[in-house]
Amino acid sequence: GQQVMQIPQYQHVQEGEDFTTYCNSSTTLSNIQWYKQRPGGHPVFLIQLVKSGEVKKQKRLTFQFGEAKKNSSLHITATQTTDVGTYFCAGPKGAGGTSYGKLTFGQGTILTVHP
Amino acid sequence: NAGVTQTPKFQVLKTGQSMTLQCAQDMNHEYMSWYRQDPGMGLRLIHYSVGAGITDQGEVPNGYNVSRSTTEDFPLRLLSAAPSQTSVYFCASSPLGPTEAFFGQGTRLTVV
Repeated sequence: GQQVMQIPQYQHVQEGEDFTTYCNSSTTLSNIQWYKQRPGGHPVFLIQLVKSGEVKKQKRLTFQFGEAKKNSSLHITATQTTDVGTYFCAGPKGAGGTSYGKLTFGQGTILTVHP
Repeated sequence: NAGVTQTPKFQVLKTGQSMTLQCAQDMNHEYMSWYRQDPGMGLRLIHYSVGAGITDQGEVPNGYNVSRSTTEDFPLRLLSAAPSQTSVYFCASSPLGPTEAFFGQGTRLTVV
């Protein structure tokens, strides 16, 4: 079945350092989503990428979708303590139609930021 | 606008007990899903619904039942709780098409 692998599992950085998490799918994805979960909280949607090679930016966060639509990355420039949490990538199971609501999540990357 | 509401927030069960985790959304979303979150394993899909009266199994459905009699509600039933079902459970909803999922606050379940 479809698998979504995410690395690294943990990342510890000093405040101001950059951070990157990588996501790889065993199958081609129609789109990929990224979520952030604060400690003790619930996943919150960050962004969705749809097009091959797409790059989107949200302030210090840069999201990329690979040309083959099987991998993605999230890069945070100059981390802040507010960036602490777990970052998940997720892709729909299957293609089109009713698949969009069924998400396969990566294992997540837990980011800690030391002030 | 409440979004997705889950109850209870915390629950302790004894092995063999049954219970229902409640999930309600007020956004008129077609899709509703249940996920469980375990350390190092991300979120895994338990059951899924594309509308009232329609449900389907996800990746880890064993030991759980669902029904969807209305658009708003999607309860998850644990038939006979086992320690392996100790987890954090999240309900999510989303509209049709490739768009974001909205998650509830989660239910932290411990089975002893």
